[in-house]
Amino acid sequence: GQQVMQIPQYQHVQEGEDFTTYCNSSTTLSNIQWYKQRPGGHPVFLIQLVKSGEVKKQKRLTFQFGEAKKNSSLHITATQTTDVGTYFCGLEGAGSYQLTFGKGTKLSVIP
Amino acid sequence: NAGVTQTPKFQVLKTGQSMTLQCAQDMNHEYMSWYRQDPGMGLRLIHYSVGAGITDQGEVPNGYNVSRSTTEDFPLRLLSAAPSQTSVYFCASSYTAGSNQPQHFGDGTRLSIL
Repeated sequence: GQQVMQIPQYQHVQEGEDFTTYCNSSTTLSNIQWYKQRPGGHPVFLIQLVKSGEVKKQKRLTFQFGEAKKNSSLHITATQTTDVGTYFCGLEGAGSYQLTFGKGTKLSVIP
Repeated sequence: NAGVTQTPKFQVLKTGQSMTLQCAQDMNHEYMSWYRQDPGMGLRLIHYSVGAGITDQGEVPNGYNVSRSTTEDFPLRLLSAAPSQTSVYFCASSYTAGSNQPQHFGDGTRLSIL
């Protein structure tokens, strides 16, 4: 079955440093989604990537889908304390109606 | 619009008790699902529904039942609570079924089983 790995599990950065989380799948993906969960909150949809090699930006956040559609990354430039939280990738699970998530990367930002 | 509403927000149960976690959405979404979130385990799919009257199992369905009698509601039932079911439970919905649909999550129910 499909396996998804998200790395790193934790990341501590100084405010102003960059941050990247990676999501890797054992199978080719039709699409991938990214979510952010603030401490004590619920996951919130950020973006979806569909095309091979696609790059999308949201202010300081850059999302990329790999050429083989098996991996994706989320990069944050010049982190701020408001970026604190856990970032999850979401992708098709065992069935086409199932959305499965990576285990997430927990980002801490030191002011 | 309230979005996805989960009740209760917190609950403590004793082992063997039963309980229903409520989930309602007012966005006329066809697809609804339940996840549990445990430290280091991410979000794991329990059950899902692609429309009223249709439900199916996810990754970790044992110990849980669901039903979908209306489009709006998707309750999750714990028949005989066990300490291993201590977790944060999230309900999510999307306009239609499919992994390409953005999910809208409720605020979660924090459940402790003693």
